Amino acid sequence: GQQVMQIPQYQHVQEGEDFTTYCNSSTTLSNIQWYKQRPGGHPVFLIQLVKSGEVKKQKRLTFQFGEAKKNSSLHITATQTTDVGTYFCRGSGGSYIPTFGRGTSLIVHP
Amino acid sequence: DTAVSQTPKYLVTQMGNDKSIKCEQNLGHDTMYWYKQDSKKFLKIMFSYNNKELIINETVPNRFSPKSPDKAHLNLHINSLELGDSAVYFCASSQGGWGADTGELFFGEGSRLTVL
Repeated sequence: GQQVMQIPQYQHVQEGEDFTTYCNSSTTLSNIQWYKQRPGGHPVFLIQLVKSGEVKKQKRLTFQFGEAKKNSSLHITATQTTDVGTYFCRGSGGSYIPTFGRGTSLIVHP
Repeated sequence: DTAVSQTPKYLVTQMGNDKSIKCEQNLGHDTMYWYKQDSKKFLKIMFSYNNKELIINETVPNRFSPKSPDKAHLNLHINSLELGDSAVYFCASSQGGWGADTGELFFGEGSRLTVL
């Protein structure tokens, strides 16, 4: 079945540093979604990428979808304490059930 | 108005008991889900219903039984609770199913189950 690997599992940064989380799929994806879960909260949808090589920005967040549609990344520029949380990718492809990556927990030190 | 609401928010119970978690969505979505999130944060899909019909049933013990009385509700009943069932259970809904038609998921706030 489809697997979505996400790294790193944890990332500690100083406030103001950049942060990136990566997702890789064992199969070609139709699309990939990104979610953010604040501590004690529930996952909240951030964005969906559909096209090969697509890049989308939301303020300090940049989302990329690889040319082969097998990998994706989320990059945060100049992290702030409000960015703390766990970021998940969710890949969908063909007849496979959409699968979440294991998440990257971002810890921002002031 | 909460889009996806689940109750109760917290459940503390003894091993061997039976418990239920209820979920309702007012978004008019066709598809509803139950996810289990363990202490390592992994979001594992358990079940999915589309228009009251079961479409995903992952390798979940048959002590877990979902019920969808209508497309706005998806309840989860758990029999003979075990220690390993302790987790946060999230209900979610989406307009699409999967494949090219994957819709974004809207999650409830979660139900934290603790089995003693």
